[in-house]
Amino acid sequence: GAGVSQSPSNKVTEKGKDVELRCDPISGHTALYWYRQSLGQGLEFLIYFQGNSAPDKSGLPSDRFSAERTGGSVSTLTIQRTQQEDSAVYLCASSLLTTPGNEQFFGPGTRLTVL
Amino acid sequence: DQQVKQNSPSLSVQEGRISILNCDYTNSMFDYFLWYKKYPAEGPTFLISISSIKDKNEDGRFTVFLNKSAKHLSLHIVPSQPGDSAVYFCAASAYGGSQGNLIFGKGTKLSVKP
Repeated sequence: GAGVSQSPSNKVTEKGKDVELRCDPISGHTALYWYRQSLGQGLEFLIYFQGNSAPDKSGLPSDRFSAERTGGSVSTLTIQRTQQEDSAVYLCASSLLTTPGNEQFFGPGTRLTVL
Repeated sequence: DQQVKQNSPSLSVQEGRISILNCDYTNSMFDYFLWYKKYPAEGPTFLISISSIKDKNEDGRFTVFLNKSAKHLSLHIVPSQPGDSAVYFCAASAYGGSQGNLIFGKGTKLSVKP
């Protein structure tokens, strides 16, 4: 079956513009995560969706960041009024929480560059 | 403060030799540990994991060792192959992974020279 897909693969935007990043998780996976990886850094957790529960937004760095997950499947991460420090690779992952240790399957990421 | 630390940003080994990648953690609530491998321009892929009730897990050329008292784990790759060249991330979860996100280290870039 298909893995996690993300679009676009690359996004270049100007400072102050809004951007939307899309994630299609693996079919049947109930959990969906967003992470970002800035240059030279590890993966930084942003937000987590599990079924119909309220999302865990504890990793979002500011109120300019928001995410939705429609119908328990596709998710969009929105960054409003982008800043240069938002430049990073944004990674989406999905998982079946029934798996021990919560093995997460990652998409290829969206590389965001804010000029 | 980093809860998962990979103190070596890079490691270079000769093909056929052993690669040892290290990871330290600070949170005693972590009970499951995972290693992910990442090639450039791709997302991380799961490699191997270990529960805190074990001290060793082996899968082919890959073995993960866990030392709970030292809050330390390591990934051994034997024998190393050029295709193993990638960035390796150590990750940890609490509560058997039934809640939320993984906490990742910053990664170690492994280069295996032919």
